[in-house]
Amino acid sequence: DTGVSQNPRHKITKRGQNVTFRCDPISEHNRLYWYRQTLGQGPEFLTYFQNEAQLEKSRLLSDRFSAERPKGSFSTLEIQRTEQGDSAMYLCASMIGQGVVAFFGQGTRLTVV
Amino acid sequence: GEDVEQSLFLSVREGDSSVINCTYTDSSSTYLYWYKQEPGAGLQLLTYIFSNMDMKQDQRLTVLLNKKDKHLSLRIADTQTGDSAIYFCAETPSSASKIIFGSGTRLSIRP
Repeated sequence: DTGVSQNPRHKITKRGQNVTFRCDPISEHNRLYWYRQTLGQGPEFLTYFQNEAQLEKSRLLSDRFSAERPKGSFSTLEIQRTEQGDSAMYLCASMIGQGVVAFFGQGTRLTVV
Repeated sequence: GEDVEQSLFLSVREGDSSVINCTYTDSSSTYLYWYKQEPGAGLQLLTYIFSNMDMKQDQRLTVLLNKKDKHLSLRIADTQTGDSAIYFCAETPSSASKIIFGSGTRLSIRP
């Protein structure tokens, strides 16, 4: 499978716990994006990387959220001290260089109980 | 500012054409996109158009762009039950590399 891969597909956690999601982009895609999607809404931009550099972060990304892409390949998104409002689908996408098209993964659905 | 607006719902009869509309605010948008999302699935790119074009056709899909009015539309000819999904309009503002999405239009097909 050469698409964008996200793990886990589903995560249920108790409020206050930390969670980490992983995204493996398409090989050689040097741009990687994280989005959050809540029910009935479109994807909201969280952050993006060009190789290992995090170039932009949304104001939506509170101090509890951190994203890394240490070697410019896979990326992780960590949420500390989860809150019920963090329940959402977290989507990852990748794009090649100065490309036009972003390819999305299937997402990780987070439920905070 | 960056904002993309879409109507929430559209219902069409099977075999008819569907037209989904979108307006955006950033006049310097470079690319505009239509993505499709089926239940429980990720986002699938349907088509995109560069801002210096006013029309693009791809099989059953026709995209129309009116830059003056900042209006984008997606026409699906001969709509089928498999076209039932949420359709997202999106743009890439020239000032940023992120993609900004609308809230989506839920297309339902009636027999």
